[in-house]
Amino acid sequence: GAGVSQSPSNKVTEKGKDVELRCDPISGHTALYWYRQSLGQGLEFLIYFQGNSAPDKSGLPSDRFSAERTGGSVSTLTIQRTQQEDSAVYLCASSLNQPGSDEQFFGPGTRLTVL
Amino acid sequence: SQKIEQNSEALNIQEGKTATLTCNYTNYSPAYLQWYRQDPGRGPVFLLLIRENEKEKRKERLKVTFDTTLKQSLFHITASQPADSATYLCALWDSGSARQLTFGSGTQLTVLP
Repeated sequence: GAGVSQSPSNKVTEKGKDVELRCDPISGHTALYWYRQSLGQGLEFLIYFQGNSAPDKSGLPSDRFSAERTGGSVSTLTIQRTQQEDSAVYLCASSLNQPGSDEQFFGPGTRLTVL
Repeated sequence: SQKIEQNSEALNIQEGKTATLTCNYTNYSPAYLQWYRQDPGRGPVFLLLIRENEKEKRKERLKVTFDTTLKQSLFHITASQPADSATYLCALWDSGSARQLTFGSGTQLTVLP
């Protein structure tokens, strides 16, 4: 079956522009997660959705970052007024239910480069 | 402060040997601990999950142990192969704190032929 998909796979933008990253989770998965991974670093948690609501937004680094999920499926992560330090790979994952006891299925990521 | 530490950034071993990777944590009480594999340019792939009341879990050539007293998990790959070369990430979920899975920074394993 289809896994988690993300688009675009690569995005190059200029400092100050807004970007939108998209995630299509596995059908039927209620939990969806966004992470950020900088070169050679581990995964930094950004936000977690259960259905359409976000019980945990604690990882969003600033108010330039926002995310939404509609219809319990597709999610978009928006970064406004991008900065060079936003350059990273943005990974999306989904799981059947719980964040702890269920394995997470990751997408291939979106590589964001801010010039 | 809370911390997850994985042993040395890089580990090189000879093919056929057992690779042992370490994950130590501080100021967490994890109910679950997971291990993932990540290849360059790809998202992590789930390998194993172990619960706080389990000491050991096995899957084919993989074995995970979980010692809540030592606050440590060990991940073993027996009869290692060059195809096992990748970065391995541990991740834990602590019901008492945040609701997300927290990842360590990973150990890069290279199995030499």
